[in-house]
Amino acid sequence: QVQLVQSGSELKKPGASVKVSCKASGYTFTSYAMNWVRQAPGQGLEWMGWINTNTGNPTYAQGFTGRFVFSLDTSVSTAYLQISSLKAEDTAVYYCARWGGSGIDAFDIWGQGTMVTVSS
Amino acid sequence: QSVLTQPPSVSAAPGQKVTISCSGSSSNIGNNYVSWYQQLPGTAPKLLIYDNNKRPSGIPDRFSGSKSGTSATLGITGLQTGDEADYYCGTWDSSLSAAVVFGGGTKLTVL
Repeated sequence: QVQLVQSGSELKKPGASVKVSCKASGYTFTSYAMNWVRQAPGQGLEWMGWINTNTGNPTYAQGFTGRFVFSLDTSVSTAYLQISSLKAEDTAVYYCARWGGSGIDAFDIWGQGTMVTVSS
Repeated sequence: QSVLTQPPSVSAAPGQKVTISCSGSSSNIGNNYVSWYQQLPGTAPKLLIYDNNKRPSGIPDRFSGSKSGTSATLGITGLQTGDEADYYCGTWDSSLSAAVVFGGGTKLTVL
């Protein structure tokens, strides 16, 4: 079945880096854009941006430039989110979400989420 | 402060109907499709409604969506205890910094 499976929870110290993976299966990876969404503890959903899975070109939302990097490995149908110089306020659940494409203007498939905790 | 405005909470009894509103502007809801997501406690969001009023396969027809002008509404009939969740609306915002925007979320309590 169509699914996105993310890597497990991470505990990092301030200033460190983290790389979250999102492995797609059940569909042609390069046919759908991949997005990243952040949810801080007890808060709502915040769109971080997306990556074109054909070209690898990323687009970052305001507030997610500089320390955030989207990347791909199409050979294993996997998208990555890397965050550098981690801060306490980066503590959140990070979701990858597939954009439905033609006919479905929405995030139709979501990963299970990866909890990133930044604490000294 | 979210770009889209939702009520923080709504409640109703089992079997009843509830509506959740989502208010925006011409740069987002007014000119783009609206989607709705259900987030059960401790789980990832799940698509409920896309393109204003369409349901993905597997979503029961108890869930419905509508849009008028710069506002959208999610309706849920025949409420069940399993519907207790947070509900989010989302859409594109076509302003200078084009982005996907979400409402702040509405907590549904089935009394």
